[in-house]
Amino acid sequence: EIVMTQSPATLSVSPGERATLSCRASQSLSDKLAWYQHKPGQPPRLLMYDVSTRATGISARFSGSGSGTEFTLTISSLQSEDFAVYYCQQYNNWPPITFGQGTRLEIK
Amino acid sequence: EVQLVESGGGLVQRGESLRLSCAASGFTFSSYSMNWVRQAPGQGLEWLSYISRSSTATYYADSVQGRFTISRDNARNSLFLQMNSLRAEDAAVYYCARISPESGHYYLDVWGKGTTVTVSS
Repeated sequence: EIVMTQSPATLSVSPGERATLSCRASQSLSDKLAWYQHKPGQPPRLLMYDVSTRATGISARFSGSGSGTEFTLTISSLQSEDFAVYYCQQYNNWPPITFGQGTRLEIK
Repeated sequence: EVQLVESGGGLVQRGESLRLSCAASGFTFSSYSMNWVRQAPGQGLEWLSYISRSSTATYYADSVQGRFTISRDNARNSLFLQMNSLRAEDAAVYYCARISPESGHYYLDVWGKGTTVTVSS
């Protein structure tokens, strides 16, 4: 099973600033990595897939990068609606599909 | 509009059973593999189970293997999760989620709003 580790657990950033979230895999993923945004009371929303491809309707303020075992989600110029929990998910070697434990992005 | 709507959650006693349903609309349900994912209170997302388009392949997380059964009815555009021998740790919000149609790309592109399962002793 591939273990996904996200850091930091909580990230405090001011609106208008940039946020950088990290995700590390226990094995190489090639480009089989997705990111999701999850707000309380709502379902998770797909943000990125194949490391760096934005899902339909996702703002260009979101970008993904990385390869192998190290990946990053960057959110430029944070807006109020961006404060949420973010999860990475690997789909290179499954089952099981595995998620990171999440990074909570909060307003500083 | 592409939509997934879960139902069937509720309060059950430990050891009892529950069947969750997920109604799909706005897309050709039979063309997509489907999953169940849950989120326990204060926890992250946990993948539970997968079913292929024609039900020929099913997979389960170790935590539910042997207790939960995933199934689908393509004629009724519906996905199901039969949950037996429920435990306190099964209390969670349960989501159904669609897998991308792109071959080999098993990310979850559409999610339902979830249904809540509470397990009491």
